[in-house]
Amino acid sequence: AQSVAQPEDQVNVAEGNPLTVKCTYSVSGNPYLFWYVQYPNRGLQFLLKYITGDNLVKGSYGFEAEFNKSQTSFHLKKPSALVSDSALYFCAVRDGGYGGATNKLIFGTGTLLAVQP
Amino acid sequence: EAGVTQSPTHLIKTRGQQATLRCSPISGHTSVYWYQQALGLGLQFLLWYDEGEERNRGNFPPRFSGRQFPNYSSELNVNALELEDSALYLCASSPLGYLYGYTFGSGTRLTVV
Repeated sequence: AQSVAQPEDQVNVAEGNPLTVKCTYSVSGNPYLFWYVQYPNRGLQFLLKYITGDNLVKGSYGFEAEFNKSQTSFHLKKPSALVSDSALYFCAVRDGGYGGATNKLIFGTGTLLAVQP
Repeated sequence: EAGVTQSPTHLIKTRGQQATLRCSPISGHTSVYWYQQALGLGLQFLLWYDEGEERNRGNFPPRFSGRQFPNYSSELNVNALELEDSALYLCASSPLGYLYGYTFGSGTRLTVV
């Protein structure tokens, strides 16, 4: 079964410093990976996805993610953190099944990013 | 373009009652997904509907059910409410296919007292 793991419950970083939020995956077949962000009492917002192609994926709000097949990782990064980046971040992977077209997303447990001024 | 809309925003019910949550997907999206986000438990997959049919179901008891209407909107019904059903219920929509991510609504906060 497909799965993702987010090993850190919380990441603390100072404003202006680079940030990394970690995600590792376990899939059979090609991985289709996603990152979402959730602000308090809100739904999830799409940041970026990896389907195929370049290992460095650029997304919304200056975020990017690096796909590493040998390490089965898909870490989220940003060169310079902002206080407004403080939120809950979820990594997700497409599940398989249903006639070849995948269906549900399986989410990690989430990582709370706290950016200090 | 309107996003995914969920109603109501908040819902307070008594244990044993029934709750009905509603979701309208983005125009053109045929798939609707329901997730439960309980405190400290991340996002738990509940149900997936596409073209009016239930395509997949998560590990939840049968008292969690739903349906999708011809206009692709959906409702989630929770019968015989229990205190642990208190959670944020998120609806998402997408076109059918593995290339697409989801667009989420803002959720319905269900509180069971």
